[in-house]
Amino acid sequence: NAGVTQTPKFQVLKTGQSMTLQCAQDMNHNSMYWYRQDPGMGLRLIYYSASEGTTDKGEVPNGYNVSRLNKREFSLRLESAAPSQTSVYFCASSERGGANVLTFGAGSRLTVL
Amino acid sequence: AQSVTQLGSHVSVSEGALVLLRCNYSSSVPPYLFWYVQYPNQGLQLLLKYTTGATLVKGINGFEAEFKKSETSFHLTKPSAHMSDAAEYFCAVMSGGYQKVTFGIGTKLQVIP
Repeated sequence: NAGVTQTPKFQVLKTGQSMTLQCAQDMNHNSMYWYRQDPGMGLRLIYYSASEGTTDKGEVPNGYNVSRLNKREFSLRLESAAPSQTSVYFCASSERGGANVLTFGAGSRLTVL
Repeated sequence: AQSVTQLGSHVSVSEGALVLLRCNYSSSVPPYLFWYVQYPNQGLQLLLKYTTGATLVKGINGFEAEFKKSETSFHLTKPSAHMSDAAEYFCAVMSGGYQKVTFGIGTKLQVIP
């Protein structure tokens, strides 16, 4: 099993450009998440999708949009990238209910110049 | 509301010495608690979790953690550090039935030969 696959692994953008981070999981998980990781700040939740067809804001949603395309896929879009969005982005998934053990992707490193 | 505080963003121990990484949580309902480990340039992996029942939880690679409700703590320990334990460790909390998982800022463990 591949688990959680994120693309791209690396991306450099100029301020104002847009891009979409893709995430797919093959574990039949119901819930999916996008986190960003910044030095000294741990992981902060951007958006999550508790189940197919639903999305909710996390701690730091401003400047981002998400789409739960189907049960497998959950994409994160930056409409107009800003230097403050330079970060490492992680997608994760879990079965809904019970102890919410997250399975993480390998991460996507985004630099906004 | 839920939150996690990890005391000490960097911890250094000698090889063979006790590892103690501290975590305190805040939750309005009985929580689920987790420790995740992140090796360089990788995503996070589950180390151990507490849901209900036995308060001493054993995880992978010889780590364990004890849930202490009276102290709202979930400290991670390992009797004897190994060089391969060098990584960043994250404590996380999920309040039962609430799909969001909140992470602490992480503790980088350095193991000195």
